[in-house]
Amino acid sequence: DAMVIQNPRYQVTQFGKPVTLSCSQTLNHNVMYWYQQKSSQAPKLLFHYYDKDFNNEADTPDNFQSRRPNTSFCFLDIRSPGLGDAAMYLCATSRQGFNPETQYFGPGTRLLVL
Amino acid sequence: SQQGEEDPQALSIQEGENATMNCSYKTSINNLQWYRQNSGRGLVHLILIRSNEREKHSGRLRVTLDTSKKSSSLLITASRAADTASYFCATDVDSSYKLIFGSGTRLLVRP
Repeated sequence: DAMVIQNPRYQVTQFGKPVTLSCSQTLNHNVMYWYQQKSSQAPKLLFHYYDKDFNNEADTPDNFQSRRPNTSFCFLDIRSPGLGDAAMYLCATSRQGFNPETQYFGPGTRLLVL
Repeated sequence: SQQGEEDPQALSIQEGENATMNCSYKTSINNLQWYRQNSGRGLVHLILIRSNEREKHSGRLRVTLDTSKKSSSLLITASRAADTASYFCATDVDSSYKLIFGSGTRLLVRP
C-alpha cells in the first residue's frame, strides 16, 4: 500500500545533541511537509518542500533544518535540541500543491529530550 | 498563528449517540477539511468542504460550513468506540495549498 513512513517512531536525545528524523513516501507526491505537534495542541507547520524548493515558515526557529535528497525522502534535522523541542513530529505529503488538496500523514516520531 | 478554534475541547458520549464538534476560523477560506488523529498517531483525512458548499456527507459524517459566520461543524452519527480520537479542522492559508489546523476536539466514546 502507498504510504508515508516515519522512522524512528520514538527518538530519545540529549539536550544539545543533534538529531535527525526521517520520512519516506511511496505516493510519489510533489509536496512534503514537516509539522511539530505538542501535547494536546494543533500540528504546527515548520516547513515544506514543493519538489526541491524549500519553504520555511517565518516563525520556525533556525535550530530546525530540512533536507530532501529525492522525491521519496525528507529529513528533519534539529541542530541543538532543547527541552522545548520535545514533541511529536509529523511528516505529511500532498500530491501536486493544488488548492484544495488533502494531506497524507505518517504515524509521527515522538521526540524526547533529556 | 492559529486559525481555527474548536469547541468543545473535549467531549464524552455513550456509544450510539451523535457527536457534534464545531470549528471557527478567522480569515476567508477556499476550503475546510476535517482530520482525525488516534492517540499517538498521525492524522487521517476525513472530509473536505469547499467554500461554495454548505453541507457534505460521507458515511456517518456530516459536515456543514457557514462562511458568513466563519464556522463549520462535524457531526458523527451513531458513534462507536472506535471513533474515539481527536478531531481537527484545517483551513487553507492565503489561498495556498498549505493548511492551518484548529486546536482540536478530543472525543471519547464510551462502550
